[in-house]
Amino acid sequence: AQSVTQLGSHVSVSEGALVLLRCNYSSSVPPYLFWYVQYPNQGLQLLLKYTSAATLVKGINGFEAEFKKSETSFHLTKPSAHMSDAAEYFCAVSTPSGGYNKLIFGAGTRLAVHP
Amino acid sequence: DARVTQTPRHKVTEMGQEVTMRCQPILGHNTVFWYRQTMMQGLELLAYFRNRAPLDDSGMPKDRFSAEMPDATLATLKIQPSEPRDSAVYFCASGTLTGGAYEQYFGPGTRLTVT
Repeated sequence: AQSVTQLGSHVSVSEGALVLLRCNYSSSVPPYLFWYVQYPNQGLQLLLKYTSAATLVKGINGFEAEFKKSETSFHLTKPSAHMSDAAEYFCAVSTPSGGYNKLIFGAGTRLAVHP
Repeated sequence: DARVTQTPRHKVTEMGQEVTMRCQPILGHNTVFWYRQTMMQGLELLAYFRNRAPLDDSGMPKDRFSAEMPDATLATLKIQPSEPRDSAVYFCASGTLTGGAYEQYFGPGTRLTVT
């Protein structure tokens, strides 16, 4: 069965600092992995996805994530945080059930950015 | 700019009343998902459709919830009778196969309050 664990429900960084949001997955088959962002009172927006091509995936807004099979991780990073990055971030894994179109989401990490 | 639309955006109703939430998926997407988001449970998948056929509704309380897709441009989620514990934000998402994996695009959500 597939599952996702996000370490740290809240992360706080200073503006300009490195952002690191952690995600570990469990999957019995090669996974497809996603990061979504949710701004207040909005739906989720896709940041980036891993589909077994390049292990370093670049997304929107300067975010990137690296797939590490040996660590079963897919951590999200951004070199320099902006105030506008404050939001909740969800890691997700897609499952073979239904042809890889069903997502299992982590519990989310709320990112705060302070001046 | 294609988007998933949901109506209403906010709904306040009394316990026992019927609630209907509507979703217009992105044209051409063949999968539609209904999620519920609460502080306690996070994001829960309620049901999903592919090519308008229900594939999985195991996350939905069957006695009071129903989901349908009468045509390719409309998906509905009904609660009858509603209860205070149904208070949550309900998201619709539509999906399409892109680069080997399904990407899901979320609507802005319907915030339901049952008093």
